[in-house]
Amino acid sequence: DVKVTQSSRYLVKRTGEKVFLECVQDMDHENMFWYRQDPGLGLRLIYFSYDVKMKEKGDIPEGYSVSREKKERFSLILESASTNQTSMYLCASSLQVLQFYGYTFGSGTRLTVV
Amino acid sequence: AQTVTQSQPEMSVQEAETVTLSCTYDTSENNYYLFWYKQPPSRQMILVIRQEAYKQQNATENRFSVNFQKAAKSFSLKISDSQLGDTAMYFCAFIESGGYQKVTFGTGTKLQVIP
Repeated sequence: DVKVTQSSRYLVKRTGEKVFLECVQDMDHENMFWYRQDPGLGLRLIYFSYDVKMKEKGDIPEGYSVSREKKERFSLILESASTNQTSMYLCASSLQVLQFYGYTFGSGTRLTVV
Repeated sequence: AQTVTQSQPEMSVQEAETVTLSCTYDTSENNYYLFWYKQPPSRQMILVIRQEAYKQQNATENRFSVNFQKAAKSFSLKISDSQLGDTAMYFCAFIESGGYQKVTFGTGTKLQVIP
């Protein structure tokens, strides 16, 4: 069964902490994405990567960075966590083919910053 | 920039009945894909149905079907014979063909199936 695995289901962090959210996929997908999900706002793209060591900003990159050292792993980093980064974070991956068949999502990490 | 609008934040339906979720989108592209995703409570987001814009025929997947109106930029999801397991958030999503596969999502519709 193909998977996108997010390392933590729930996280509680303090304001100012550096936070790492990890995502691993076992499908050999080229593309990986980080979204945040907030009620009434849907899913908003933070960063994405289309290859190892490559990254592109999404719609709301401020306060975040990413790392992709290996094809299967895509990390989201909150350099200095703030309360407005309390959210559900979703990782997704997709295969780079001519026809797009959609994302495979992880189960999400619910981050609370106190 | 593309936008996706879901105007129904919450809906409810009786078990075994039919419900339609609305979605409109805005794009200047001619080739694109549309999706409906389902997110059950505390569970993973999964793909429900996919539509290619160049195909006139509406996509169907068992009890799920879409009404794709390209000229009106409308993409509604019909769920027939609703089941308790259909209770979930439903997201409409859009992506243009080619490029970096960045998907734009709507704000979601919370569907409650009532026994």
